[in-house]
Amino acid sequence: GAGVSQSPSNKVTEKGKDVELRCDPISGHTALYWYRQSLGQGLEFLIYFQGNSAPDKSGLPSDRFSAERTGGSVSTLTIQRTQQEDSAVYLCASSLHRSGNTIYFGEGSWLTVV
Amino acid sequence: GEDVEQSLFLSVREGDSSVINCTYTDSSSTYLYWYKQEPGAGLQLLTYIFSNMDMKQDQRLTVLLNKKDKHLSLRIADTQTGDSAIYFCADLYSSASKIIFGSGTRLSIRP
Repeated sequence: GAGVSQSPSNKVTEKGKDVELRCDPISGHTALYWYRQSLGQGLEFLIYFQGNSAPDKSGLPSDRFSAERTGGSVSTLTIQRTQQEDSAVYLCASSLHRSGNTIYFGEGSWLTVV
Repeated sequence: GEDVEQSLFLSVREGDSSVINCTYTDSSSTYLYWYKQEPGAGLQLLTYIFSNMDMKQDQRLTVLLNKKDKHLSLRIADTQTGDSAIYFCADLYSSASKIIFGSGTRLSIRP
């Protein structure tokens, strides 16, 4: 597609449920990033993919968070047993390659845990 | 450690220039970015500068990079109400595995 596409755009879930957030990067972009932005806060790095592998998972806040990428394209961020503090906007970005001079963000998935 | 810092707020009069400042700690930055985020929207890439450049100009936007002091600035000429947003400075960290963002500067425009 023309831009980075994320779904769902909004998700309200009950505490304790699992959620999956999807990111469809710009076609041909090999690098993919997930960030989290809590209300009124800056961006917190979660994970980075180069192709299907994730050389840097250092930002995942707990073992309830996992992410995968298949076919060097779509990525899924999964949050298990959601907690209220997981409420945030989850932003995906992609770039043509690792050195990333053109990095573009999706509109984000707004997650609310009630 | 990895850090990018910005002041949280800036208020300017419509028509004046806005200058948003950013400092970073990474001594091996390759690219530095400015992103704009309007209320309820995602991040829009405004401009970026490669670390071997001192300045980049793009219409009303001027980016200045002082690599020695690890200081980056974004100047918006003739600031308009549509420029009201949060502006994020970001650094492609030397390991090239992540982009570190500042906390964002909220730019407000007064008449």
